[in-house]
Amino acid sequence: AQSVTQPDIHITVSEGASLELRCNYSYGATPYLFWYVQSPGQGLQLLLKYFSGDTLVQGIKGFEAEFKRSQSSFNLRKPSVHWSDAAEYFCAVHTGGFKTIFGAGTRLFVKA
Amino acid sequence: EAQVTQNPRYLITVTGKKLTVTCSQNMNHEYMSWYRQDPGLGLRQIYYSMNVEVTDKGDVPEGYKVSRKEKRNFPLILESPSPNQTSLYFCASSLIGRGSGPDTQYFGPGTRLTVL
Repeated sequence: AQSVTQPDIHITVSEGASLELRCNYSYGATPYLFWYVQSPGQGLQLLLKYFSGDTLVQGIKGFEAEFKRSQSSFNLRKPSVHWSDAAEYFCAVHTGGFKTIFGAGTRLFVKA
Repeated sequence: EAQVTQNPRYLITVTGKKLTVTCSQNMNHEYMSWYRQDPGLGLRQIYYSMNVEVTDKGDVPEGYKVSRKEKRNFPLILESPSPNQTSLYFCASSLIGRGSGPDTQYFGPGTRLTVL
């Protein structure tokens, strides 16, 4: 069965430090990959998505993600974290059909 | 303003009392979906709809019903709620993208449901 794994339940980084959030998926063919962010008390908002083409995709708020087929990964990165980035981040996959599978999420804490 | 609205935002009810959570979008999206969010489990898909009168089960459909009679509305019905349906529910909508699946999903603000 298809699955999405976000190995880190929570991560703490200092403001200004770099960030990498991990996402691994289990699916035979190339999936369609998304990263969403959920700020406290809010719905989810798309950060970026990958469908095909360049494996490094740029998103909003200075985020980027790299699709690595060999590692079945789609890790999210940001070179310098701001306090306003504190939120929960979800990796999601849709597998060419209409079902969408979300990871369990990674909560990001930013310390001053 | 393009948005997905859900009502109510908060609901406390008792076991067995039928309830409906409404969802409406004003973006003319074909695809709509319901998710529940529980701590440590992320979002799990309950039902989705590819267009009017076309719906299908997600990963956790038991105890829920949906209908899609109009393109803009996608209500979630709990005919006999139980305490294990206490959760945070999100409705989402999107265009149909590449691969014939959903493109970017736009989420509503959520409905926090407590079943006593």
